[in-house]
Amino acid sequence: DAGITQSPRHKVTETGTPVTLRCHQTENHRYMYWYRQDPGHGLRLIHYSYGVKDTDKGEVSDGYSVSRSKTEDFLLTLESATSSQTSVYFCAISLADSDYGYTFGSGTRLTVV
Amino acid sequence: TQLLEQSPQFLSIQEGENLTVYCNSSSVFSSLQWYRQEPGEGPVLLVTVVTGGEVKKLKRLTFQFGDARKDSSLHITAAQPGDTGLYLCAGGSQGNLIFGKGTKLSVKP
Repeated sequence: DAGITQSPRHKVTETGTPVTLRCHQTENHRYMYWYRQDPGHGLRLIHYSYGVKDTDKGEVSDGYSVSRSKTEDFLLTLESATSSQTSVYFCAISLADSDYGYTFGSGTRLTVV
Repeated sequence: TQLLEQSPQFLSIQEGENLTVYCNSSSVFSSLQWYRQEPGEGPVLLVTVVTGGEVKKLKRLTFQFGDARKDSSLHITAAQPGDTGLYLCAGGSQGNLIFGKGTKLSVKP
């Protein structure tokens, strides 16, 4: 009964195609985040949300968009996938701000060929 | 740009040894968190420290937040193979978390 699930877990897509990753939570947490994790760079924030329809950019937001139409769902879209977006993507949730700690999903491994 | 530097990057030790992992920054953070990540999974929160000088213990793990809230350390006593993983520190800044690049720990039986 995981409180946060990501789908799909793995995806291979072609350069130039749009891709949407989904994050679903059952914890009713206000804050949701999308990170990417790459060797040598660690975890970097892409976008985050502090409520329904309230989102903001993170450190590496270029080429990505997000939407949050319901508390429980946070979607990450790669408008036109590029090879540099090959990565492992993690969604995280938080009850309040960062001082409360994050709960992470299991990740989506995306390969752009 | 706020950065968190973790050291060492890699650590390979024998079961029963003690170790310390460091997390340093030139910036002040409102909180400092430690996570452990296993292959194929997301990071899992171990502890949050918010007060300068704070020390927290979690079984064989001891976490310390620096007096100036710019650095932290994680000490593991009598390491076990189950402690193997990637240890990440993260600092709270303007409502978001900034992560260090991690220390990859391998504990051999």
